[in-house]
Amino acid sequence: GAGVSQSPSNKVTEKGKDVELRCDPISGHTALYWYRQSLGQGLEFLIYFQGNSAPDKSGLPSDRFSAERTGGSVSTLTIQRTQQEDSAVYLCASGRDRVNSPLHFGNGTRLTVT
Amino acid sequence: DAKTTQPNSMESNEEEPVHLPCNHSTISGTDYIHWYRQLPSQGPEYVIHGLTSNVNNRMASLAIAEDRKSSTLILHRATLRDAAVYYCIGDSGYALNFGKGTSLLVTP
Repeated sequence: GAGVSQSPSNKVTEKGKDVELRCDPISGHTALYWYRQSLGQGLEFLIYFQGNSAPDKSGLPSDRFSAERTGGSVSTLTIQRTQQEDSAVYLCASGRDRVNSPLHFGNGTRLTVT
Repeated sequence: DAKTTQPNSMESNEEEPVHLPCNHSTISGTDYIHWYRQLPSQGPEYVIHGLTSNVNNRMASLAIAEDRKSSTLILHRATLRDAAVYYCIGDSGYALNFGKGTSLLVTP
C-alpha cells in the first residue's frame, strides 16, 4: 500500500519568505509526527498529533513554526519568515495509535533558505 | 528516555554477519529498545524493537543483555543494501529521540 507522502521533495526559498510543507500519512494511522534533520545530524522532534487530542508542540524551535492536521489526516508544517538556519530536511512520520508502534517515515522535504 | 551510545561507524564485508552494539545504561524498566535505519536520501525505516526478550524478524535480530544496559542489532548476512545509518533508541514514549546513530559501510 501507499506509504507516507511528503511534498514538495525539494524547496528553495529566500530568507524572510513563508513556506508550507505537506504530509499525507498512511491511511488509518492516527499518530503523526514532524521531525527535522540538519546535515549530518540526528533527527530533531518538532511536533506530534494523536487523533483529536491537542498536539504536543514541545519540539517546535520558535513561534515561526506551526503545524496543523486537518480531518485527522493531512498535515501541513508552516515556517514563517524563514531563516538560513531553518535549512534542513523535514521528515513526517505516521503510526498506529499504540505507544511503541513502529513509525513510518516519508522521504522528507529538503528545505534550502538562501 | 534513555541516553544511548553507539559507535560512529562500522564496516562489514558483504554476506558476513554484522553486530551493531548499543549501550543504554540509564534505561528504565519501561523503556523499549528501538532500532531504525536510514538509507541515503530516505527517511528512517523501522527495523525492530523489544523490551526484555531477544526478538527476531525478517530484517534482523535484537539481542538484549540480561541487565538491559546494552543491546546488539544483528544482521545475519549483510548486503550492499544494508549500508545505512542505524539508530538505537531507548524510549517508552511516543516521540522517539534519534541520536546520530552508527554509519554502516558494507564492502563487496
